Amino acid sequence: GDSVTQMEGPVTLSEEAFLTINCTYTATGYPSLFWYVQYPGEGLQLLLKATKADDKGSNKGFEATYRKETTSFHLEKGSVQVSDSAVYFCALISNAGGTSYGKLTFGQGTILTVHP
Amino acid sequence: SAVISQKPSRDICQRGTSLTIQCQVDSQVTMMFWYRQQPGQSLTLIATANQGSEATYESGFVIDKFPISRPNLTFSTLTVSNMSPEDSSIYLCSAPRDRTYNEQFFGPGTRLTVL
Repeated sequence: GDSVTQMEGPVTLSEEAFLTINCTYTATGYPSLFWYVQYPGEGLQLLLKATKADDKGSNKGFEATYRKETTSFHLEKGSVQVSDSAVYFCALISNAGGTSYGKLTFGQGTILTVHP
Repeated sequence: SAVISQKPSRDICQRGTSLTIQCQVDSQVTMMFWYRQQPGQSLTLIATANQGSEATYESGFVIDKFPISRPNLTFSTLTVSNMSPEDSSIYLCSAPRDRTYNEQFFGPGTRLTVL
């Protein structure tokens, strides 16, 4: 079945540091890939997405590139802020159709804490 | 984009009771999804709620424990039955952004604590 593996956390950084959160996946067909963010006490928000190989999703300074050859979708940000402290989830929707249609498979989540 | 609301936002319940969570979408969608997020864990799909047919449950989840209703294209309920402390979680519903189902919008979640 489909699966998503994120780098183990938590991750603690100083403000303005470079961020990378690794994400790899296993899926049939050509999945769409997502990063969701959950700020403390809030619901889940879509951060960025990519729907085909070599696509780059970007939002709020975060980027991730869909790498089919390495089955990866690593999240990066050049300079993190305290306000980026949250839990980040990598996820996929399989486009294989059938019973997988529209279902999100999530990674385990990575807690990011940014200190001033 | 879809706006999704859930009620209640949180509740504290006694062991053995049941709670029904409501999810309202501001546009018509064929499929809605219910997820569970246990404390400190990721999200796990409970079931897919299809309008006009029975919900489809994922492995490890059964209808007797998590009955779902889907009376129309904008509304769904999830009931957590005969609760135990292990059911303490955040329950979220989601709906697709469009007919490609390539993006999901999430409700704010219902934080359930079972004593």
